[in-house]
Amino acid sequence: DTEVTQTPKHLVMGMTNKKSLKCEQHMGHRAMYWYKQKAKKPPELMFVYSYEKLSINESVPSRFSPECPNSSLLNLHLHALQPEDSALYLCASSQGPDSYYGYTFGSGTRLTVV
Amino acid sequence: AQRVTQPEKLLSVFKGAPVELKCNYSYSGSPELFWYVQYSRQRLQLLLRHISRESIKGFTADLNKGETSFHLKKPFAQEEDSAMYYCALLGSGNTGKLIFGQGTTLQVKP
Repeated sequence: DTEVTQTPKHLVMGMTNKKSLKCEQHMGHRAMYWYKQKAKKPPELMFVYSYEKLSINESVPSRFSPECPNSSLLNLHLHALQPEDSALYLCASSQGPDSYYGYTFGSGTRLTVV
Repeated sequence: AQRVTQPEKLLSVFKGAPVELKCNYSYSGSPELFWYVQYSRQRLQLLLRHISRESIKGFTADLNKGETSFHLKKPFAQEEDSAMYYCALLGSGNTGKLIFGQGTTLQVKP
């Protein structure tokens, strides 16, 4: 299995809802990432998990809460989002945080906040 | 500061023409550089790593430390090469952070 799988593919949520995005990989990668991508813009790093520990939080608002239950899974819990949070949320993984082999990206969850 | 610059937002060429997508970086030390490609409605995919000096889909990229560049080249463009291309730099400090350029849309016309 050489893929990063993200669910759901699309999500519409109200500003008072609580939802979660899920990401899974079975490549034995020990670093996992959440990125946010707006249309026609590069991905922006949100969080890095390295060996299941949160190593980077790029000053992301607390309405986004990451969780890494084990080395294969990464979640992003969403609560009280704003319409400007609508974007494509990408999960990625790499062998380690210093991997010059590059990342493997998932296909993303397209989130719309109404 | 660690930074990646892709000066062209859009590059439009005809099929069969040579292509060069420019990427310049700012980094102290030896950089780890990548090219990623995003086809329409598809996931972001790794195209090339500078460390492996490989050729994928006819694309090559050479690291030029003197000019701090990592330009992506292909001698004969194909219509299926039309996509968004991102140059990316692995940040220092063992953080795993990828620093992306703003991207260049390559449009190959028939």
